[in-house]
Amino acid sequence: RKEVEQDPGPFNVPEGATVAFNCTYSNSASQSFFWYRQDCRKEPKLLMSVYSSGNEDGRFTAQLNRASQYISLLIRDSKLSDSATYLCVVLFYSSASKIIFGSGTRLSIRP
Amino acid sequence: ETGVTQTPRHLVMGMTNKKSLKCEQHLGHNAMYWYKQSAKKPLELMFVYSLEERVENNSVPSRFSPECPNSSHLFLHLHTLQPEDSALYLCASSQEWGAGANVLTFGAGSRLTVL
Repeated sequence: RKEVEQDPGPFNVPEGATVAFNCTYSNSASQSFFWYRQDCRKEPKLLMSVYSSGNEDGRFTAQLNRASQYISLLIRDSKLSDSATYLCVVLFYSSASKIIFGSGTRLSIRP
Repeated sequence: ETGVTQTPRHLVMGMTNKKSLKCEQHLGHNAMYWYKQSAKKPLELMFVYSLEERVENNSVPSRFSPECPNSSHLFLHLHTLQPEDSALYLCASSQEWGAGANVLTFGAGSRLTVL
């Protein structure tokens, strides 16, 4: 089983729709969680950190479910500019640190 | 600009060439990373340096040789590469490594093609 798994998509939704995707992780020692966004042929950029209590940044909401070991990203009122690949990132540290990237979920917003 | 600069942005090399990728960060971070991104694969961590000391080496073939002369600069020396090494090589930095490892800031990447 992969340490971090994401549905690769692609998710193809109309502009204005709400879309959500999940990311599961296998290591219960995981401590920090992030969503990154990567545009085509560009570098990944931090979208938002994911906090235990859940957090919101404008149209984006991130949730963490430690019991079921997944994080989620919800995008409301999607825009054409939201088209990108969304990468789930899990960081865990015990005796050594590991930062694990998921393979990404492709999102395409159509007019 | 993100504060992490990579050169060259594009590189084409033959299997017998020797070349180097360069990364420079202006963020005052203490940890620097090399990642490899191939098509349809997740980012693969190659090397991590913390305060100029290598702390992670993920079973990377010896044809890739990293060098970290100071906390702001990171190199990846390449020699006798294979066509399957063609990929996007991303440099990143973070404030700290270990328990303090947190948000990564990436450079724009060096797209490598091995003929």
